[in-house]
Parts: sequence; C-alpha cells; structure tokens
Amino acid sequence: IAGITQAPTSQILAAGRRMTLRCTQDMRHNAMYWYRQDLGLGLRLIHYSNTAGTTGKGEVPDGYSVSRANTDDFPLTLASAVPSQTSVYFCASKAGEANTEAFFGQGTRLTVV
Amino acid sequence: AQSVTQLGSHVSVSEGALVLLRCNYSSSVPPYLFWYVQYPNQGLQLLLKYTTGATLVKGINGFEAEFKKSETSFHLTKPSAHMSDAAEYFCAVSDGHDMRFGAGTRLTVKP
Repeated sequence: IAGITQAPTSQILAAGRRMTLRCTQDMRHNAMYWYRQDLGLGLRLIHYSNTAGTTGKGEVPDGYSVSRANTDDFPLTLASAVPSQTSVYFCASKAGEANTEAFFGQGTRLTVV
Repeated sequence: AQSVTQLGSHVSVSEGALVLLRCNYSSSVPPYLFWYVQYPNQGLQLLLKYTTGATLVKGINGFEAEFKKSETSFHLTKPSAHMSDAAEYFCAVSDGHDMRFGAGTRLTVKP
C-alpha cells in the first residue's frame, strides 16, 4: 500500500536556490494539499488543488508555487529559497468531498541555509 | 473563513487519568471536524471525524469527541491515558474547499 509518497525525505538547501518537493498519490483522490509544520504554529496550508488542472492559495502561499497537471502529482516549488522556509512540509490528499478525511505523506524536512 | 483554536499547547496527564484536549472552531457553513494524531517523525493519522448525525463520535485507540454546535467545540477525550498515547494531536475543520488545522496539543503521559 503506497498512499502518498513525498520526496526527498530531507534536504539541506542553499538560500537562493530553486527546489521542487515532489508528491505523488495512488488513491485517485481529487483534492491535494501542501502544508508546512512549524513548532507552535501547527500545520499551515500553503496551496491546495481540488481537482486536476486547478489550484488555490492557502494561508501562507508567498514564495511557493504548485501545479496539478494530473490527478496523481502535486509538486511544490520554492523559486528562490529563504531561511524562513526551513520547515517540515507535508503533502496530503482526500477524495474531495468535505466529509472525507485527508491522508498524509511522511513529510519532507527542508533546511535552508 | 474557517479556523480552529486548540486551547493548551501542552497537556500532561498521569497514566490512567482522563485525557481532555480542547478544540474550538469557526466556520461559516456546517463544519466537518477531524482529530489527527502525529507520532514523532511521522505524518498525521486520523483518530476520528464528525460529519453529520450523532454528535458523539468514537475513534481509534479509545478516543472520542463530542460536537457541540452551541459551544462551537469538538473536544477530544479518553477515559484512561496510556503511555502510548503520548503524541501531538491536531484538530481540523473542513468546509469543502480546504482543510485548516489548529496549532496542535502535545500530550505527555507520566508513569
């Protein structure tokens, strides 16, 4: 059972570099999400996609972009990384209906130096 | 816009004692509410959810939560804490567009 796969597991990145975090799900879920988790702040929504071909901004979208070319993949790109983007990033998916639960990947630990 | 407030970033209980983790929500539409648990260095796992119907919801590992519309609350309880319950717990609300989480409550269980 794969579920949601995130890559890489962890990364140290120089400030100013471009980085794409990968997320793939095999559950044919319509909706996908990217969150960042920071101590004391919980999970904050970066971007979301309710269906392939559409995306939306969450609570903290600045400095990040996403695309949803197909149902399975939802990559998150940092165009020019800054130290404040040091965080643990979680990708999640759900079937799409509001009353369904989200399934989470194992996370990507990103350190920007 | 929907939001969640979890009261208490850290809760400590003795093994065998009652666990109570508080969650209040704000939503412009009837909400769907969730509790997730996160163990160290892992992703989030669903404990339970409220959608419609019975307001007392039972989940895994002996946890339950009660939806109280008049209080806009969805507090998580467990009658008797176990050492394995030590983790971070997140309350979440969904209105169909996205899912928003609270800041989390870290539960410590003392022997």
